[in-house]
Amino acid sequence: GQNIDQPTEMTATEGAIVQINCTYQTSGFNGLFWYQQHAGEAPTFLSYNVLDGLEEKGRFSSFLSRSKGYSYLLLKELQMKDSASYLCAVRDKGSNDYKLSFGAGTTVTVRA
Amino acid sequence: DSGVTQTPKHLITATGQRVTLRCSPRSGDLSVYWYQQSLDQGLQFLIQYYNGEERAKGNILERFSAQQFPDLHSELNLSSLELGDSALYFCASRPGGGGETQYFGPGTRLLVL
Repeated sequence: GQNIDQPTEMTATEGAIVQINCTYQTSGFNGLFWYQQHAGEAPTFLSYNVLDGLEEKGRFSSFLSRSKGYSYLLLKELQMKDSASYLCAVRDKGSNDYKLSFGAGTTVTVRA
Repeated sequence: DSGVTQTPKHLITATGQRVTLRCSPRSGDLSVYWYQQSLDQGLQFLIQYYNGEERAKGNILERFSAQQFPDLHSELNLSSLELGDSALYFCASRPGGGGETQYFGPGTRLLVL
């Protein structure tokens, strides 16, 4: 099974940078995903890491260290629309099922 | 818009009843996943189908069942409903032959009174 931890809430100012950490324990590892979810809406895909290192996509970057069971999502130049929940999800290794286990999510509030 | 559709958007029913939630995956996607999201819990994986066959099971209650049809749409059946079943139910799809990402539908909000 999976044990995925991320902070419950974070607050930051418009234009600033916020880093959301995620730690996981897993019996097998086959990729880590970050999703953004606005209240009452569907999660939308942000990033995917399967190898160690940094993946950059515009204002969003995600980092993975498999040996430490650790990832972070970096949000730069924060905008009000970035206020949302950010979900860390880990995919099990092994069968073809590709099922994801999600953390409880980090609610980010961006203030003017 | 992810390309995944779910109906209905909202559903209000009473305890003990049975409901069916429907999901149409993105065109060409063979895998369908069902998740439950309640206020006090994160996204919980329920079940996965791949090209009509059950592929993986998560924390799905025995009162719940699902299937995927030849046209690849899927239905999640919830029976003997309890107050605690009130939640958002999401369907997600993923290409079968590759592609890492699951794309989520807009969800069905179920309220059991």
